[in-house]
Amino acid sequence: AQSVTQLGSHVSVSEGALVLLRCNYSSSVPPYLFWYVQYPNQGLQLLLKYTSAATLVKGINGFEAEFKKSETSFHLTKPSAHMSDAAEYFCAVSGDAGGTSYGKLTFGQGTILTVHP
Amino acid sequence: GAGVSQSPRYKVAKRGQDVALRCDPISGHVSLFWYQQALGQGPEFLTYFQNEAQLDKSGLPSDRFFAERPEGSVSTLKIQRTQQEDSAVYLCASSQRDGPNQPQHFGDGTRLSIL
Repeated sequence: AQSVTQLGSHVSVSEGALVLLRCNYSSSVPPYLFWYVQYPNQGLQLLLKYTSAATLVKGINGFEAEFKKSETSFHLTKPSAHMSDAAEYFCAVSGDAGGTSYGKLTFGQGTILTVHP
Repeated sequence: GAGVSQSPRYKVAKRGQDVALRCDPISGHVSLFWYQQALGQGPEFLTYFQNEAQLDKSGLPSDRFFAERPEGSVSTLKIQRTQQEDSAVYLCASSQRDGPNQPQHFGDGTRLSIL
């Protein structure tokens, strides 16, 4: 079965510092990977997705993620944190081991990012 | 509308009551998903529709949960004889086409509280 592990339920950084949110996945098939952001009392907004075209994926709001097959990782980074980045971030893998043709998502537990002035 | 719309945003019900949650996907989107998000957790898959066909309901936690999408657009998630463990945020998402690489667009969710 597909699974996602996000290391660190809470990450705290200073404004202007590097943001690194960790995600490791388990998949028996080539994965499609996504990062979503959730602001309080809102739904999830897509930040970026990996679909095998390129290992370094650029997303919205200055975020990017690198797919590393050897490490089964898809960590999210941003060079300089902004106060508006404070939110909860979810890594997700699509599909399942049965090779479904649709995009059923399996999410990690989430990482709450706090940005200090 | 421009995005996925869910109603009501908040629902409080007494244990044992039936509830119905509505999802209006983005117009023309083929795929529709329901997820359940417990407090402090990531969303968990409940069920999937391709147009009006419910192709996967493997995530529905019990036979008290029922979902439909009769005309291939609006969907309703119904929970019968609600229990306290049903308290969660219920998220609906749609995507334009089928396929595991398709991004899903989420609504703001319905927060269900069972007293």
